[in-house]
This record gives sequence, C-alpha cells and structure tokens, in this order.
Amino acid sequence: DARVTQTPRHKVTEMGQEVTMRCQPILGHNTVFWYRQTMMQGLELLAYFRNRAPLDDSGMPKDRFSAEMPDATLATLKIQPSEPRDSAVYFCASADLILRQGGGNTIYFGEGSWLTVV
Amino acid sequence: DAKTTQPPSMDCAEGRAANLPCNHSTISGNEYVYWYRQIHSQGPQYIIHGLKNNETNEMASLIITEDRKSSTLILPHATLRDTAVYYCIVRLTNDMRFGAGTRLTVKP
Repeated sequence: DARVTQTPRHKVTEMGQEVTMRCQPILGHNTVFWYRQTMMQGLELLAYFRNRAPLDDSGMPKDRFSAEMPDATLATLKIQPSEPRDSAVYFCASADLILRQGGGNTIYFGEGSWLTVV
Repeated sequence: DAKTTQPPSMDCAEGRAANLPCNHSTISGNEYVYWYRQIHSQGPQYIIHGLKNNETNEMASLIITEDRKSSTLILPHATLRDTAVYYCIVRLTNDMRFGAGTRLTVKP
C-alpha cells in the first residue's frame, strides 16, 4: 500500500533551534506539497514542487522557512531559527500531476510531523 | 479556485446515511469537486472526486447537481469511525486549498 512517509512524527524543540522535517513521496509521484495546520488557521498550503522544482512557495514565510527536494524520493522543510508560533502539524502530500490538466489528479497526504517549539 | 460553503457541524446516527452538503456557486466548467476527511490527529484522507457526473466508490457517493453549483457527499451507512472533519474542495489548478470543513459526529 503506497503512502507518503514523514519524519519525525513528533518533535519538541527549543526556540532558536533548527528543525528539519522530511518527506518521502509516493514512488512515481512528480509533485510534492507542504501544508501546515493549526487550530487558528486550519490547513494552509505552504509550497509545492513539481519534478523537484519549486512551483509555488507564496504561502511560506521566506525569512525562516525553506523547502527543497534533494532528489525525487526526498523533500525537506527546514525552519531556522524556529519560534513558538511555528508550533503546528506539518503535512507533506504527493501526486502525479500533469500540467494543464489541472485538478483531475488525486493528492495523497502523509500522517504529519507534530512540531512543538518551546 | 472557487470557494465552498459547508455547515460547520452535523450529527448522524450510526448505521444511517450521512449526507454532507457543499455549495460552490461560483464553480467554473473545468473545476473538480473533491472530498477529503480528517480523522483526529491523522492526515487528510481522500474520499472521492468528480467533475460533472455522480460518482461512487467503496467509501462514498458524490452527487453533483446539474448546474454544478452544489454537491452532496453520501456515506451510506455511517459508523463511529466516520466521525471526522469533512472537506469539500473545488479545484482547478494543480494545488489544493482547504476551508474549514464540516465536523461530522456519528452517534451510537
């Protein structure tokens, strides 16, 4: 059963520390998404990549967040330095999308990385 | 992408059908209607999607009105494990953005 795998599942860190979250998309999927979920804001799209190139990162705070895809099987989301307001659940999702065919391809989510910054 | 409107919460008796409505009056011709759900502390789970025709799979049925301005997700025999937040999303582009959803509580 193919699935999106995220690590770590839970992370508690001190303010100012660097945090890296990792995601293994479903094999063969060409698009990876990063979402953040909080009680106040709900599910927010931070950024997404297609074929390892960033397509849209307009939802991501640029000063402290960065997202990369070192290879087709690994996506990373890094926060440096972390702040208490970054405490949230971060979800990675993947899909096999064909540009210009828009919304007809399903996006599958991982189980999330629960981040607490104290 | 078109906006959607869902009731914030609904209850359903166990074993009965759960009918979750969604309004998307500004939907355009090539936007898809997607439904996801999120059970507490888990990632969003894909349920079903459609463009114009009604759709059915092992989890649910999706009924889209002829003018496509609204849709209904039907869980034919709700169980306690169907208690979750259900999201209706109208999607044109490659990305997908979530609203607040409907919190469905299935009661014994």
